[in-house]
Amino acid sequence: KAGVTQTPRYLIKTRGQQVTLSCSPISGHRSVSWYQQTPGQGLQFLFEYFSETQRNKGNFPGRFSGRQFSNSRSEMNVSTLELGDSALYLCASSLNRAGWTQYFGPGTRLLVL
Amino acid sequence: KNQVEQSPQSLIILEGKNCTLQCNYTVSPFSNLRWYKQDTGRGPVSLTIMTFSENTKSNGRYTATLDADTKQSSLHITASQLSDSASYICVVSADGGGGADGLTFGKGTHLIIQP
Repeated sequence: KAGVTQTPRYLIKTRGQQVTLSCSPISGHRSVSWYQQTPGQGLQFLFEYFSETQRNKGNFPGRFSGRQFSNSRSEMNVSTLELGDSALYLCASSLNRAGWTQYFGPGTRLLVL
Repeated sequence: KNQVEQSPQSLIILEGKNCTLQCNYTVSPFSNLRWYKQDTGRGPVSLTIMTFSENTKSNGRYTATLDADTKQSSLHITASQLSDSASYICVVSADGGGGADGLTFGKGTHLIIQP
């Protein structure tokens, strides 16, 4: 069974631009969670989607948004990029909710110049 | 406030030696505790997951222990190999809801194995 895939793997943007990241979960998994990882803060929860509905959201500004499609694939969007948005963005899929076993993708490395 | 503290922040050991990483948590209520290994530039990979009733769980050369009374966990690596060089992240899940918002992540221990 294929693992979690994320595209693109690397991205360079400039301040003020917007970006869309994509995540395809493991086949049959209905939950997708997104995380931002920086050296100083570690993994921080962005949001979780389950059956196309956002179930909860972390403490991030409204510039960060996401959605989940009927095939469970998910996208996250960051508008008006800031230098501090440079990070590794990870998505994780779970069969049901994330409270038990999660499988992480390889991440998208975003650099904002 | 739920917190997960890991120690040490970083560790350097020689290949073939054993090491133990620590995780202390103040998450309540408690559902499960997980250890992940994250290679540089890659996503975390699950090593073990333990519930309240489990004291020890092994995965090859990795052995995790859990003391739910003192709210402490450790990850012991036996006969370390160069491929063990990575960050090790402790994650605690609070009960109820079962969503990602119930997860508390430690900042990880960065382990370097030297030949």
